[in-house]
Amino acid sequence: EVQLVESGGGLVKPGGSLRLSCAASGFTFSSYSMNWVRQAPGKGLEWVSSISSSSSYIYDADSVKGRFTISRDNAKNSLYLQMNSLRAEDTAVYYCAKGIHAFDIWGQGTMVTVSS
Amino acid sequence: SYVLTQPPSVSVAPGQTARITCGGNNIGSKSVHWYQQKPGQAPVLVVHDDSDRPSGIPERFSGSNSGNTATLTISRVEAGDEADYYCQVWDSSSDHYVFGTGTKVTVL
Repeated sequence: EVQLVESGGGLVKPGGSLRLSCAASGFTFSSYSMNWVRQAPGKGLEWVSSISSSSSYIYDADSVKGRFTISRDNAKNSLYLQMNSLRAEDTAVYYCAKGIHAFDIWGQGTMVTVSS
Repeated sequence: SYVLTQPPSVSVAPGQTARITCGGNNIGSKSVHWYQQKPGQAPVLVVHDDSDRPSGIPERFSGSNSGNTATLTISRVEAGDEADYYCQVWDSSSDHYVFGTGTKVTVL
């Protein structure tokens, strides 16, 4: 079964850091681009960051550029999002998603709450 | 930055047809993808590349894209189709993915 499972969310103070992980299974992880998408409570979907299969290409939304870093470890079938200098407006459910252009598989999401 | 505009809500009676629009500047030149999201669940891809359906998605879901508007059409609407729907494109001028504002479909 193709599956993505996120972890690492939680409560963090403004200015703090958090590292999200996404464990992939059921497909050849190293062959696919991967992405992070977030959704603030009661709001729509917002693309965060994308990374190509070999990490050659990385794209970030303007709202997180310079603060968030996407990475992957193909040997461990894992995707990561290092989030620094967190702000209240980063509070959201963070989803990892597989695919280039169309995101055909999504994880269940992990909640990140930034609050003092 | 590229903007995709959707109507906030669409209401439809069971058995009828729901049409959800996604407006963007010359969106007809881009590939549009559509997602369905039910409360408390992750999004699900229902149409990709304007009009193609992933395996397992009913034929009742179809898409089109031309000019400045892309459309997701749900035929013979069922109660289980009640959800939020989002369009999405890749904007090559900014190297950014863009999601639409989302449309809540209510089945009367």
